[in-house]
Amino acid sequence: KAGVTQTPRYLIKTRGQQVTLSCSPISGHRSVSWYQQTPGQGLQFLFEYFSETQRNKGNFPGRFSGRQFSNSRSEMNVSTLELGDSALYLCASSPRGAGDYEQYFGPGTRLTVT
Amino acid sequence: AQTVTQSQPEMSVQEAETVTLSCTYDTSESDYYLFWYKQPPSRQMILVIRQEAYKQQNATENRFSVNFQKAAKSFSLKISDSQLGDAAMYFCAYSSPKGGSRLTFGEGTQLTVNP
Repeated sequence: KAGVTQTPRYLIKTRGQQVTLSCSPISGHRSVSWYQQTPGQGLQFLFEYFSETQRNKGNFPGRFSGRQFSNSRSEMNVSTLELGDSALYLCASSPRGAGDYEQYFGPGTRLTVT
Repeated sequence: AQTVTQSQPEMSVQEAETVTLSCTYDTSESDYYLFWYKQPPSRQMILVIRQEAYKQQNATENRFSVNFQKAAKSFSLKISDSQLGDAAMYFCAYSSPKGGSRLTFGEGTQLTVNP
């Protein structure tokens, strides 16, 4: 099976712009979660989508949003980018979206905001 | 809210030796799962080992084993016969059935393996 893929791998944006990141889960996986990784804050949960519905949301401002399509692919959007949004964004998928299932992570998208 | 704490920002070990990484967590839930993930320089997160809270037996995966102390809320990772390829950032993580797939991560421990 192909692993979790994320596109693009690297992105440079200017403050105030918006950005969309994409995640394709492993075939058959219905849950997709997003995480932000920064040196200062570590790994923080953004949100989880399961069967096209947002099931959990972390403590991030409304500028961060996401969606999931019927084929389980997910996108996250960040509007009005700030310098502090520079981070590695990781996506993870799991078959059922229950806490006991292993999550498979993608390689991440490195976002730099200038 | 659940919290996960890794008190060792950095650790080092000689090749072929054994090293133990520490993790403590705080939760009021009785049903939960604990994980150790490895993140090498490529940034690809890889599951090393997992433990179900209801299981008393400590999980083992080849050279990796855990010491799960539920009452003390402690979950340490022991790496035996350390190899150069074990060098990475190690994260302890928590999840529960109530949280779906949500993982709460610790701060991470950077492991260096010296030849």
